[in-house]
Amino acid sequence: GAVVSQHPSWVICKSGTSVKIECRSLDFQATTMFWYRQFPKQSLMLMATSNEGSKATYEQGVEKDKFLINHASLTLSTLTVTSAHPEDSSFYICSARGDTLNQPQHFGDGTRLSIL
Amino acid sequence: GQQVMQIPQYQHVQEGEDFTTYCNSSTTLSNIQWYKQRPGGHPVFLIQLVKSGEVKKQKRLTFQFGEAKKNSSLHITATQTTDVGTYFCAGANDMRFGAGTRLTVKP
Repeated sequence: GAVVSQHPSWVICKSGTSVKIECRSLDFQATTMFWYRQFPKQSLMLMATSNEGSKATYEQGVEKDKFLINHASLTLSTLTVTSAHPEDSSFYICSARGDTLNQPQHFGDGTRLSIL
Repeated sequence: GQQVMQIPQYQHVQEGEDFTTYCNSSTTLSNIQWYKQRPGGHPVFLIQLVKSGEVKKQKRLTFQFGEAKKNSSLHITATQTTDVGTYFCAGANDMRFGAGTRLTVKP
């Protein structure tokens, strides 16, 4: 089955640090990748949708200068949390989908980010 | 964008009892997908419904898509402890998830 690798799994860093999270589709071409944020016992909140080779589309209320997304290839998208602060601590999870709406999303294992 | 509402938020059942979660959209959906997230895990795709009135079954799970393509349901017959987790629906148009229904099963 389709596999999505997300790295790192855990990040603990100081306030003010920028953190990069990678999302890779290992055995299929991901035309579209999604980035979500999930708080404990809550649903997945869509942050942005990225299509290969174009700028990401951010959801309302998500700062694009704060959460930089790059989707430079059909197998890799990155999310960079710039100048992270404690309120950015959360579980970030990516998903990847092929080239049609009728294809399911395949999720990475998520990244737990803790900012001290 | 579309709004996907999901109820109930929580459901606690005795093992062997049935369980149903409902998903409602403010707009017509081209299709809808269901996912399950186990505690500590990531969402895993269960099924996609595309056609109006469609019903699909996976063993003890029955998925329905409403005639107007604005609502959907997931029904689990005779729950087992392995069914524990949070069940999410998502409109495939823009992949916004419902709030999810957290199912706990008492052995």
